[in-house]
Amino acid sequence: SQTIHQWPATLVQPVGSPLSLECTVEGTSNPNLYWYRQAAGRGLQLLFYSVGIGQISSEVPQNLSASRPQDRQFILSSKKLLLSDSGFYLCAWSLTGYEQYFGPGTRLTVT
Amino acid sequence: QQPVQSPQAVILREGEDAVINCSSSKALYSVHWYRQKHGEAPVFLMILLKGGEQKGHDKISASFNEKKQQSSLYLTASQLSYSGTYFCGTVGGGFKTIFGAGTRLFVKA
Repeated sequence: SQTIHQWPATLVQPVGSPLSLECTVEGTSNPNLYWYRQAAGRGLQLLFYSVGIGQISSEVPQNLSASRPQDRQFILSSKKLLLSDSGFYLCAWSLTGYEQYFGPGTRLTVT
Repeated sequence: QQPVQSPQAVILREGEDAVINCSSSKALYSVHWYRQKHGEAPVFLMILLKGGEQKGHDKISASFNEKKQQSSLYLTASQLSYSGTYFCGTVGGGFKTIFGAGTRLFVKA
């Protein structure tokens, strides 16, 4: 069966510090991978998605970037965090582009 | 374009029914539904791919009216465990999903 992991589970970072969030999927090959951000009490904002190694589509022009160095690994990064980057970051995978399966998420607080 | 969900929030007592709607101003080719409990990740419930399709999962079912460009989620005889935020999603260009803003459902004992 497929499993998706995200870490860390929670993170508190000062403004201006770098960020690296990692997501890995097990039990499947060549998944589509997604990064979402959810502000408190709000909906799901798609940040990036990837259909293959090295292929990244950006949905939001911000100070965030994503990389997919391996088939089942997706990394979200920032060089300098802003207060507005706080939120719940969710990684998801899908084989069809239809149903998506989410990881447990990383709760990021920028102080 | 983001699908529109209504209502924004619903408060129910256990055993009551609810309907959550999802509509789009653009043609809908598929609709998927998710539930997110407080502090957790969204969980996929079901997907509807064809106009007129209906699906059920326990006492939660959904319909898809392709012509009206809308889908409805039906929660029958609600239980406390149904509380959470329900999102509908539609597939945009490529493999990306566009989610509605969500409907918060509170079920009280």
